[in-house]
Amino acid sequence: DIQMTQSPSTLSASVGDRVTITCRASQGISNWLAWYQQKPGKAPKPLIYKTSNLQSGVPSRFSGSGSGTEFTLTISSLQPDDFATYYCQQYESFSRTFGQGTKVESK
Amino acid sequence: QVQLQESGPGLVKPSQTLSLTCTVSGGSISSGAYYWTWIRQPAGKGLEWIGRIYVSGTTFYNPSLESRVSISADTSKNQFSLRLTSVTAADTAMYYCVRDEGGFNSRAMDVWGQGIMVTVSS
Repeated sequence: DIQMTQSPSTLSASVGDRVTITCRASQGISNWLAWYQQKPGKAPKPLIYKTSNLQSGVPSRFSGSGSGTEFTLTISSLQPDDFATYYCQQYESFSRTFGQGTKVESK
Repeated sequence: QVQLQESGPGLVKPSQTLSLTCTVSGGSISSGAYYWTWIRQPAGKGLEWIGRIYVSGTTFYNPSLESRVSISADTSKNQFSLRLTSVTAADTAMYYCVRDEGGFNSRAMDVWGQGIMVTVSS
């Protein structure tokens, strides 16, 4: 199985901050990496696919980058609606795996 | 617009079988572009991929669950289903059905159901 490790587990930030979350894969996954946002009591919302492509309707303040084993999700200017938990997910292998999540909380 | 809706019992007794169904509307599960997937999430924890099925019937399962899980599809009803046998309290979770796009330009897991909470308890 490909293991996905996110850092940090929790991130404290303020509105307007630039926020970066890192996701590392235990082996190369090319660019088969997606990001999801989840708020309490809700299903995850797809944000980014194939490392850097925004899903429909996702604000341009979200961006993704990376390749191989190291990836990042960046929020250029954190908005009140962005406080949530973020998950990365690899889909290079037949068996999909998620990172453990990064909670973005208000400082 | 494709929508997914989970259904099934919210309470299952230990050692019994958990059975859930996902009904797909606004699109056909017979479309060759997608894998139909189950994800679960225990309260306060992360997302766990359970497995997926392709329209051909090909399935892939999480190795940690493979001995207890099966996913099937009923194209006539536009539904796919999850069976998890010999459940324990550790299987208590929110269960999501998800559309997972295949292909070179895959958008990954792009449509999610709202989820159904399943509790394993006597």
